[in-house]
Amino acid sequence: GQSLEQPSEVTAVEGAIVQINCTYQTSGFYGLSWYQQHDGGAPTFLSYNGLDGLEETGRFSSFLSRSDSYGYLLLQELQMKDSASYFCAVRTNAGKSTFGDGTTLTVKP
Amino acid sequence: DAGITQSPRHKVTETGTPVTLRCHQTENHRYMYWYRQDPGHGLRLIHYSYGVKDTDKGEVSDGYSVSRSKTEDFLLTLESATSSQTSVYFCAIRQGDNEQFFGPGTRLTVL
Repeated sequence: GQSLEQPSEVTAVEGAIVQINCTYQTSGFYGLSWYQQHDGGAPTFLSYNGLDGLEETGRFSSFLSRSDSYGYLLLQELQMKDSASYFCAVRTNAGKSTFGDGTTLTVKP
Repeated sequence: DAGITQSPRHKVTETGTPVTLRCHQTENHRYMYWYRQDPGHGLRLIHYSYGVKDTDKGEVSDGYSVSRSKTEDFLLTLESATSSQTSVYFCAIRQGDNEQFFGPGTRLTVL
């Protein structure tokens, strides 16, 4: 089966940098994705890592180490609107995705 | 925008009744997924489809069945709803190689 671990809550202040870690155990690993979900909304795709290294998309970056079964999402220049839940998700070779339980990010002024 | 709609958006039903949720997409995406999300949890895969009449089980498929007779529609059926199936249900499509795009969700309450 698959399992993912990520912190349940993170708090940071506006303008700061925050890192949300994700460790996983899976068979048939294909890639790691990150999603954002605001209260009452649908999850929205943020980034994907299929290979080791850093992917940067504006203020958000995501990192993957396949050998360590580890990844993280880095959010820079935090804004109040970044307060949301963030999910890592492992995709397997079979095309299925397993999601972590999510990290609730609270950005304070 | 992947053009995904879900219906109904809200439903209240009683234990033991059958319920069907519909996911409709307009862009001919091959892969479609049904997830449930419970408070404080991530999304758990119920069933997914990789083409017309091609479906497979996810991690929480017991009590659910699916059908995909047309590319654009993916139906999720609860044959006999139970209170443990009270949840928010999200449909998703795979957009590109790795991105999933989610519908707005259906909030189901089973009394």
